Amino acid sequence: AQSVAQPEDQVNVAEGNPLTVKCTYSVSGNPYLFWYVQYPNRGLQFLLKYITGDNLVKGSYGFEAEFNKSQTSFHLKKPSALVSDSALYFCAVRDINTNAGKSTFGDGTTLTVKP
Amino acid sequence: KAGVTQTPRYLIKTRGQQVTLSCSPISGHRSVSWYQQTPGQGLQFLFEYFSETQRNKGNFPGRFSGRQFSNSRSEMNVSTLELGDSALYLCASSTTRDRAPTDTQYFGPGTRLTVL
Repeated sequence: AQSVAQPEDQVNVAEGNPLTVKCTYSVSGNPYLFWYVQYPNRGLQFLLKYITGDNLVKGSYGFEAEFNKSQTSFHLKKPSALVSDSALYFCAVRDINTNAGKSTFGDGTTLTVKP
Repeated sequence: KAGVTQTPRYLIKTRGQQVTLSCSPISGHRSVSWYQQTPGQGLQFLFEYFSETQRNKGNFPGRFSGRQFSNSRSEMNVSTLELGDSALYLCASSTTRDRAPTDTQYFGPGTRLTVL
């Protein structure tokens, strides 16, 4: 069985400050990890994914995520937050036994960036 | 390349009615999945189809059903609607390949269903 936890319902940061949105996971084998962003009344937009290789993954809109196997974490980061980054962020996981069409999602973290 | 499209975008129904939602995947994608998103339950997996075959089904009652056509377009149906079925229903398409857990899912804008 696989699961994802996003321990923070809400993250607030000031514009220009670095941001981190946390994600921890549990899978039976090697994890495949994804981050998505959702703006109001919109579907989910893909940001980045970790499959294998370099633990630091770079994605869209200046976001990056760091895979940490020992801590089973995949935190989303951005060096300098923008007000337009305010949205709902989802972490998702699959393992080798999961089809591409099925992901397990966290409950989401609402990021608010204040000017 | 066109993205995932879902129709209709908004729908209002009353309890006891049935509803059919449609999803057209990205051209060439053969995998289509459906998710239900509600404020209380988050994103919950409904079904996954690949080449007209249901691969997986989430923990939903039999009132929720789906199918996929030969052109990969998919429909989901909910019969005997209940108030709790009010949600954003998201469709995602991914991959031309079977059983490819590394492939990315791309989501449509969703259908907002309101049950009165």
